[in-house]
Amino acid sequence: EVQLVESGGALVQPGGSLRLSCAASGFTFSGYAMSWVRQAPGKGLEWVSAISGSGASTYYADSVKGRFTISRDKSQSTVFLQMLSLRVEDTATYYCAKGTTNWSRYYVDFWGQGTLVTVSS
Amino acid sequence: DIQMTQSPSALSASVGDRVTITCRASQSISTWLAWYQQKPGKAPKLLIYEASSLDSGVPSRFSGSGSGTEFTLTISSLQPDDFATYYCQQYNSYSTFGQGTKLEIK
Repeated sequence: EVQLVESGGALVQPGGSLRLSCAASGFTFSGYAMSWVRQAPGKGLEWVSAISGSGASTYYADSVKGRFTISRDKSQSTVFLQMLSLRVEDTATYYCAKGTTNWSRYYVDFWGQGTLVTVSS
Repeated sequence: DIQMTQSPSALSASVGDRVTITCRASQSISTWLAWYQQKPGKAPKLLIYEASSLDSGVPSRFSGSGSGTEFTLTISSLQPDDFATYYCQQYNSYSTFGQGTKLEIK
């Protein structure tokens, strides 16, 4: 059974940093792209970042480019999202999402339960 | 970047109604489109991929169609469990979600 368990969400001040983790199990971790998708309170879904199965390719939405870094650790079957220079508008539930291919043209077939990041002074 | 526009943004309907939600892409995405259902406080759930393929376990009252830039999600006979928010997602070039359609009980 596929499981994605996020952790690391917290209340942080503007300008602060946070690292989210997503522990994956139930599938061959290095075979699939992984993504982070966020949802601000009462708003829609936003594709934030993605990383290929090998870790060689990454993608960032313009809204987070230069501030967020996605990475993955094959030995831990874990994907990370390092978030720097956090802004109030980064406040959201962050979902870890498993892709259906290694990198090219994939949709999400499994989602984590989400972890809440609140940026506020 | 490819923009996705859903319509309507909100929809009121009754149990048993046939409902259609539309999603338009700003450029052709062939059939690289998925639909998700989301209920309050929960993660999205995959319904349809490649525009018209039903994910395993999804009731047959859900169907998807379209190609290029225009797509539809149809629920043939609404059930109480179907009242939720629906999102389309293009995955032709990275990924973009539509803004969502909230389906409410009339």
